[in-house]
Amino acid sequence: EVHLVESGGGLIQPGGSLRLSCAASGFTVSSQFMSWVRQAPGKGLEWVSITYSDSYTFYADSVKDRFTISRDNSKNIMYLEMSSLRAEDTAVYYCVRVTGGAFDIWGQGTVVTVSS
Amino acid sequence: EIVLTQSPGTLSLSPGERATLSCRASQRVSSNYLAWYQQKPGQAPRLLIYGASSRATGIPDRFSGSGSGTDFTLTISRLEPEDFAVYYCQQSGSSPWTFGQGTRVEIK
Repeated sequence: EVHLVESGGGLIQPGGSLRLSCAASGFTVSSQFMSWVRQAPGKGLEWVSITYSDSYTFYADSVKDRFTISRDNSKNIMYLEMSSLRAEDTAVYYCVRVTGGAFDIWGQGTVVTVSS
Repeated sequence: EIVLTQSPGTLSLSPGERATLSCRASQRVSSNYLAWYQQKPGQAPRLLIYGASSRATGIPDRFSGSGSGTDFTLTISRLEPEDFAVYYCQQSGSSPWTFGQGTRVEIK
């Protein structure tokens, strides 16, 4: 069965850094487009980043130059390194598999709260 | 950036009724890379429709998608109790990928 499990969320002060992890099972992340999507409290969904290879990574303008998406194919894990965090980055962060341009498999989400 | 505008914001219907949700794009969505998702409180979204009209695995046939270019529709033919939720459209034809703001389908 295909599963995604996120971890690494928590409470962090503004300006701080955090690394989210996404462990995949039932498929290999190296052969798939993988993405992060977030949802601020009470708000809608926002695409954050996508990767297929080291040369294929894209970011939303709101996180560009602050967030870095990467994968460890040997561990079948995807990461999101977040730095210079702001209050507006507070959200549930979902790890998502992408197939045919659609987000077909979602993790349960990990909560990031940026507050002093 | 392609802006997706969903309407109505809230749809109040009774079980058994037909629901019609609209998603309008500010620019043409290429290759019909338009998807629909359902989200219930406290849960991750679930893919319903991709490619504007193809049902995802395990999605009941009461859910259907249609449209092309800039106008897309999600139809739920007969609402079941478990269908009351928030629905989002999303495009991946142009970067950045974007979502609509959502339509809440609530019990009347």
